[in-house]
Amino acid sequence: QVQLVQSGAEVKKPGSSVRVSCKASGGTLSSYAIHWVRQAPGQGLEWMGGTTPIYTAATYGQKFQGRVTITADESTNTAYMELTSLRSEDTAVYYCASYLGDFWTPPFFQHWGQGTLVTVSS
Amino acid sequence: EIVLTQSPATLSLSPGERATLSCRASQGLTSYLAWYQQKPGQAPRLLIYDASNRATGIPARFSGSGSGTDFTLTITSLEPEDSAVYYCQQRSNWSPITFGQGTRLEIK
Repeated sequence: QVQLVQSGAEVKKPGSSVRVSCKASGGTLSSYAIHWVRQAPGQGLEWMGGTTPIYTAATYGQKFQGRVTITADESTNTAYMELTSLRSEDTAVYYCASYLGDFWTPPFFQHWGQGTLVTVSS
Repeated sequence: EIVLTQSPATLSLSPGERATLSCRASQGLTSYLAWYQQKPGQAPRLLIYDASNRATGIPARFSGSGSGTDFTLTITSLEPEDSAVYYCQQRSNWSPITFGQGTRLEIK
């Protein structure tokens, strides 16, 4: 059973960057893809992108292209999501989620982290 | 971008009743649709993948059906713990992976 544990809440200034981590247990990171989904307060779910260390590859939603970087460190079984040029609209809970299928196939999300609240405020 | 439209927005039912939630896609998905349940303050939980396959540990009261553009999540014998927001998600197309706006299910 894959378990994903995320880093704690962050408060950031507009224009800055944030990096959220997602540590996996119950398997090696190379066995699955890790994706990031965010949820603004009171809103729905929005896919950002994903990665897998086995191919050192990542895929991103067009909305986030150029502003988000998703990586994975196989040695620590940890994935990271960095979002730059933060604005107030980026205030959201950020979730990591795993997919055990082929990375090149669009995923569904089998296991989720507990979420990390990122607040962007001056 | 594939748009997923869920209906109704809110559903209020009593324990023991049957809930029928709909998800309609703007383009055909074959069977590449998943359903999630999200309770307040919690992460989403996968219920159904590829239209009709129950995820591990999901009770048989939850079932999914449909293909193409029209999909249904059915929950029989409703229990108070089924109160949640339910989302559909398509994985037919990378550009981008999209979710519906959600259906809120209230158990009276």
